[in-house]
Amino acid sequence: AQSVTQPDIHITVSEGASLELRCNYSYGATPYLFWYVQSPGQGLQLLLKYFSGDTLVQGIKGFEAEFKRSQSSFNLRKPSVHWSDAAEYFCAVGGPNYGGSQGNLIFGKGTKLSVKP
Amino acid sequence: DGGITQSPKYLFRKEGQNVTLSCEQNLNHDAMYWYRQDPGQGLRLIYYSQIVNDFQKGDIAEGYSVSREKKESFPLTVTSAQKNPTAFYLCASSGGLRETQYFGPGTRLLVL
Repeated sequence: AQSVTQPDIHITVSEGASLELRCNYSYGATPYLFWYVQSPGQGLQLLLKYFSGDTLVQGIKGFEAEFKRSQSSFNLRKPSVHWSDAAEYFCAVGGPNYGGSQGNLIFGKGTKLSVKP
Repeated sequence: DGGITQSPKYLFRKEGQNVTLSCEQNLNHDAMYWYRQDPGQGLRLIYYSQIVNDFQKGDIAEGYSVSREKKESFPLTVTSAQKNPTAFYLCASSGGLRETQYFGPGTRLLVL
Protein backbone atom coordinates (compact mmCIF):
# COMPACT_ATOMS: atom_id res chain seq x y z
CA ALA A 1 0.00 0.00 0.00
CA GLN A 2 1.08 3.52 -0.67
CA SER A 3 2.46 5.37 2.35
CA VAL A 4 4.40 8.45 3.33
CA THR A 5 6.86 8.56 6.22
CA GLN A 6 8.18 11.67 7.88
CA PRO A 7 10.71 10.25 10.36
CA ASP A 8 11.09 13.38 12.45
CA ILE A 9 8.11 14.37 14.60
CA HIS A 10 9.73 17.55 15.93
CA ILE A 11 12.83 19.46 14.85
CA THR A 12 14.36 22.54 16.44
CA VAL A 13 16.83 24.71 14.54
CA SER A 14 18.43 28.05 15.23
CA GLU A 15 17.40 31.05 13.20
CA GLY A 16 19.74 31.40 10.24
CA ALA A 17 20.69 27.72 10.24
CA SER A 18 19.95 25.40 7.36
CA LEU A 19 17.02 23.02 7.41
CA GLU A 20 16.25 19.63 5.92
CA LEU A 21 12.97 17.84 6.54
CA ARG A 22 12.84 14.24 5.46
CA CYS A 23 10.09 12.50 3.52
CA ASN A 24 10.08 8.93 2.26
CA TYR A 25 7.29 7.37 0.28
CA SER A 26 6.23 3.95 -0.82
CA TYR A 27 4.71 4.00 -4.27
CA GLY A 28 5.02 1.78 -7.30
CA ALA A 29 4.86 4.31 -10.09
CA THR A 30 6.26 7.79 -10.59
CA PRO A 31 4.61 9.73 -7.80
CA TYR A 32 3.08 13.16 -7.59
CA LEU A 33 4.77 14.73 -4.54
CA PHE A 34 3.87 17.75 -2.46
CA TRP A 35 5.02 19.70 0.56
CA TYR A 36 2.50 21.74 2.53
CA VAL A 37 2.95 23.98 5.57
CA GLN A 38 0.41 24.56 8.33
CA SER A 39 0.46 27.25 10.99
CA PRO A 40 -1.43 26.48 14.22
CA GLY A 41 -5.19 26.45 13.72
CA GLN A 42 -4.88 27.21 10.03
CA GLY A 43 -5.33 25.41 6.75
CA LEU A 44 -2.51 24.01 4.64
CA GLN A 45 -0.50 26.13 2.24
CA LEU A 46 1.29 24.56 -0.72
CA LEU A 47 5.06 25.09 -0.63
CA LEU A 48 6.01 23.15 -3.75
CA LYS A 49 5.17 20.15 -5.88
CA TYR A 50 6.83 17.62 -8.15
CA PHE A 51 5.00 16.04 -11.04
CA SER A 52 7.80 15.34 -13.53
CA GLY A 53 10.93 16.87 -15.06
CA ASP A 54 13.70 18.51 -13.09
CA THR A 55 14.12 16.64 -9.81
CA LEU A 56 15.09 19.79 -7.90
CA VAL A 57 11.96 21.83 -7.31
CA GLN A 58 11.84 25.42 -6.13
CA GLY A 59 8.95 26.61 -4.02
CA ILE A 60 7.72 29.63 -2.15
CA LYS A 61 9.38 31.23 0.87
CA GLY A 62 12.85 30.07 -0.24
CA PHE A 63 12.14 26.34 0.09
CA GLU A 64 13.29 23.66 -2.31
CA ALA A 65 12.93 19.90 -2.48
CA GLU A 66 14.73 17.16 -4.35
CA PHE A 67 13.10 14.04 -5.72
CA LYS A 68 15.39 11.03 -5.48
CA ARG A 69 13.79 7.99 -7.07
CA SER A 70 16.52 5.59 -5.94
CA GLN A 71 15.93 6.56 -2.32
CA SER A 72 12.15 7.07 -2.59
CA SER A 73 12.66 10.43 -0.96
CA PHE A 74 11.47 13.99 -1.40
CA ASN A 75 13.30 16.00 1.25
CA LEU A 76 12.53 19.65 1.87
CA ARG A 77 15.38 22.11 2.36
CA LYS A 78 15.95 25.74 3.18
CA PRO A 79 19.41 27.31 3.42
CA SER A 80 18.59 29.82 6.16
CA VAL A 81 15.60 29.47 8.45
CA HIS A 82 13.59 32.47 9.64
CA TRP A 83 11.56 32.61 12.86
CA SER A 84 8.41 32.84 10.75
CA ASP A 85 9.11 29.36 9.33
CA ALA A 86 8.05 27.78 12.64
CA ALA A 87 5.05 25.62 11.69
CA GLU A 88 4.13 22.05 10.87
CA TYR A 89 5.20 20.62 7.53
CA PHE A 90 3.44 17.84 5.69
CA CYS A 91 4.68 15.72 2.83
CA ALA A 92 2.04 14.15 0.59
CA VAL A 93 1.93 11.80 -2.36
CA GLY A 94 -0.83 11.30 -4.89
CA GLY A 95 -2.58 8.06 -4.04
CA PRO A 96 -3.29 5.14 -6.33
CA ASN A 97 -4.96 6.19 -9.55
CA TYR A 98 -4.25 9.81 -8.67
CA GLY A 99 -5.82 11.85 -11.40
CA GLY A 100 -7.72 8.82 -12.62
CA SER A 101 -10.52 7.31 -10.61
CA GLN A 102 -9.31 8.81 -7.34
CA GLY A 103 -7.96 12.16 -6.32
CA ASN A 104 -6.81 11.51 -2.84
CA LEU A 105 -3.52 12.57 -1.38
CA ILE A 106 -1.73 10.39 1.17
CA PHE A 107 -0.20 12.54 3.87
CA GLY A 108 2.68 11.94 6.23
CA LYS A 109 2.06 12.64 9.89
CA GLY A 110 3.95 15.89 9.77
CA THR A 111 7.11 17.41 11.21
CA LYS A 112 6.79 20.27 13.64
CA LEU A 113 9.51 22.87 13.21
CA SER A 114 10.56 25.12 16.08
CA VAL A 115 13.02 27.97 15.51
CA LYS A 116 15.35 29.19 18.26
CA PRO A 117 16.27 32.88 18.26
CA ASP B 1 -9.90 37.36 -4.13
CA GLY B 2 -10.35 33.74 -5.07
CA GLY B 3 -10.23 31.20 -2.33
CA ILE B 4 -11.90 28.63 -0.14
CA THR B 5 -14.01 29.57 2.85
CA GLN B 6 -15.09 27.27 5.65
CA SER B 7 -17.62 28.02 8.33
CA PRO B 8 -17.96 28.07 11.20
CA LYS B 9 -14.43 28.27 12.56
CA TYR B 10 -15.53 26.40 15.69
CA LEU B 11 -18.51 24.07 16.01
CA PHE B 12 -19.92 22.30 19.04
CA ARG B 13 -21.91 19.11 18.77
CA LYS B 14 -24.19 17.64 21.36
CA GLU B 15 -24.69 13.91 21.82
CA GLY B 16 -26.86 12.42 19.06
CA GLN B 17 -26.84 15.59 17.00
CA ASN B 18 -26.03 15.97 13.32
CA VAL B 19 -23.96 19.01 12.39
CA THR B 20 -23.06 20.45 9.00
CA LEU B 21 -19.78 22.08 8.05
CA SER B 22 -19.79 24.52 5.17
CA CYS B 23 -17.20 24.73 2.39
CA GLU B 24 -17.43 27.24 -0.46
CA GLN B 25 -14.92 27.99 -3.22
CA ASN B 26 -14.82 30.67 -5.90
CA LEU B 27 -11.84 29.24 -7.77
CA ASN B 28 -14.05 27.61 -10.40
CA HIS B 29 -12.56 24.26 -9.41
CA ASP B 30 -14.28 21.05 -10.43
CA ALA B 31 -12.99 18.81 -7.65
CA MET B 32 -13.55 19.26 -3.92
CA TYR B 33 -12.42 17.24 -0.90
CA TRP B 34 -12.97 16.83 2.83
CA TYR B 35 -10.15 15.75 5.13
CA ARG B 36 -10.04 15.04 8.83
CA GLN B 37 -6.96 15.95 10.88
CA ASP B 38 -6.26 14.57 14.36
CA PRO B 39 -3.34 15.65 16.58
CA GLY B 40 -0.11 13.96 15.57
CA GLN B 41 -1.74 12.49 12.50
CA GLY B 42 -1.67 13.37 8.90
CA LEU B 43 -4.80 14.23 7.00
CA ARG B 44 -7.25 11.47 6.12
CA LEU B 45 -9.70 11.71 3.26
CA ILE B 46 -13.39 11.54 4.13
CA TYR B 47 -15.13 12.26 0.79
CA TYR B 48 -14.31 13.84 -2.53
CA SER B 49 -16.27 15.05 -5.53
CA GLN B 50 -15.08 15.33 -9.10
CA ILE B 51 -18.14 17.09 -10.48
CA VAL B 52 -21.54 18.34 -9.42
CA ASN B 53 -23.97 15.65 -8.24
CA ASP B 54 -21.21 13.10 -7.92
CA PHE B 55 -19.05 12.16 -4.93
CA GLN B 56 -16.95 9.25 -3.74
CA LYS B 57 -16.09 7.83 -0.33
CA GLY B 58 -12.59 8.27 0.95
CA ASP B 59 -10.77 6.25 3.56
CA ILE B 60 -12.93 7.19 6.58
CA ALA B 61 -16.42 7.95 5.24
CA GLU B 62 -18.39 6.12 7.95
CA GLY B 63 -20.47 8.52 10.02
CA TYR B 64 -20.23 11.32 7.47
CA SER B 65 -22.32 12.43 4.51
CA VAL B 66 -21.87 15.04 1.77
CA SER B 67 -23.74 16.66 -1.10
CA ARG B 68 -22.58 18.48 -4.21
CA GLU B 69 -25.55 20.36 -5.65
CA LYS B 70 -23.50 23.35 -6.78
CA LYS B 71 -19.99 23.56 -8.17
CA GLU B 72 -19.02 26.10 -5.51
CA SER B 73 -20.29 24.23 -2.47
CA PHE B 74 -19.47 20.91 -0.80
CA PRO B 75 -21.02 20.70 2.69
CA LEU B 76 -20.08 17.92 5.09
CA THR B 77 -22.53 16.52 7.64
CA VAL B 78 -21.14 14.78 10.69
CA THR B 79 -23.88 12.41 11.78
CA SER B 80 -24.63 10.93 15.18
CA ALA B 81 -23.16 7.68 13.86
CA GLN B 82 -19.69 9.24 14.00
CA LYS B 83 -18.69 8.30 17.55
CA ASN B 84 -15.46 10.24 17.70
CA PRO B 85 -16.09 13.46 15.77
CA THR B 86 -13.70 15.74 17.65
CA ALA B 87 -11.13 16.83 15.04
CA PHE B 88 -10.02 19.58 12.71
CA TYR B 89 -11.82 19.39 9.37
CA LEU B 90 -10.23 20.72 6.21
CA CYS B 91 -11.87 21.31 2.86
CA ALA B 92 -9.83 21.48 -0.32
CA SER B 93 -10.43 21.99 -4.01
CA SER B 94 -8.55 21.46 -7.25
CA GLY B 95 -9.04 22.12 -10.93
CA GLY B 96 -9.21 18.39 -11.51
CA LEU B 97 -8.15 15.18 -9.86
CA ARG B 98 -4.59 15.51 -11.12
CA GLU B 99 -4.28 19.14 -10.13
CA THR B 100 -2.86 20.71 -7.01
CA GLN B 101 -5.21 20.82 -4.05
CA TYR B 102 -5.75 24.11 -2.24
CA PHE B 103 -7.04 24.17 1.31
CA GLY B 104 -9.49 26.23 3.30
CA PRO B 105 -8.80 27.53 6.84
CA GLY B 106 -10.53 24.62 8.58
CA THR B 107 -13.32 24.02 11.10
CA ARG B 108 -12.65 22.67 14.56
CA LEU B 109 -15.43 20.40 15.79
CA LEU B 110 -15.79 19.79 19.51
CA VAL B 111 -18.21 17.57 21.38
CA LEU B 112 -20.15 18.92 24.38
